[in-house]
Amino acid sequence: GAGVSQTPSNKVTEKGKYVELRCDPISGHTALYWYRQSLGQGPEFLIYFQGTGAADDSGLPNDRFFAVRPEGSVSTLKIQRTERGDSAVYLCASGTGVNNEQFFGPGTRLTVL
Amino acid sequence: AQKITQTQPGMFVQEKEAVTLDCTYDTSDPSYGLFWYKQPSSGEMIFLIYQGSYDQQNATEGRYSLNFQKARKSANLVISASQLGDSAMYFCAMREGPNAGNNRKLIWGLGTSLAVNP
Repeated sequence: GAGVSQTPSNKVTEKGKYVELRCDPISGHTALYWYRQSLGQGPEFLIYFQGTGAADDSGLPNDRFFAVRPEGSVSTLKIQRTERGDSAVYLCASGTGVNNEQFFGPGTRLTVL
Repeated sequence: AQKITQTQPGMFVQEKEAVTLDCTYDTSDPSYGLFWYKQPSSGEMIFLIYQGSYDQQNATEGRYSLNFQKARKSANLVISASQLGDSAMYFCAMREGPNAGNNRKLIWGLGTSLAVNP
């Protein structure tokens, strides 16, 4: 079946702009996760959804970051007033909850100029 | 303090030989899970193997095995019969909290870059 998809694959924006990153999880997966991976680092947790609700948003760095999953499937990560430090690969993963295995998408590479 | 420590930034191995990638972890939660992921240059994270804190046996998945030493808080990944396609970044990660049914964030190490030489 289809894996996790993320769009766009690359996004270049200017400092101060607003961006939206989209994640389509594997069909039927109730859990959805967002991570951020900077160059040379491991992924850093941002937020996870169980169904439509954010079960843990402790990783969101500040109030410029927000994520939604209104119908319990597709999720959108929204970043307001982007800063150069937001440049990273944003990874989305989904899972069923069995052993907490998470299946990752290809990521969106965000570059803030 | 780092929750997941991978002390080897880079490793080399000869094709067809075995290699061990180190991972130590730190948690006070009695229930946790340990994961290894592979990230090729294409960027996608690929799940390799999982070990639960209460699992009696070391996990194995094909050429991958996890050397789980609970008292030492280590969860080293062993890749047997290395192949050229194994060249990638390898990340160790931990879930703190009970098993299936609870979905929790993963805490990641910095990774180890493995190069397999022909």
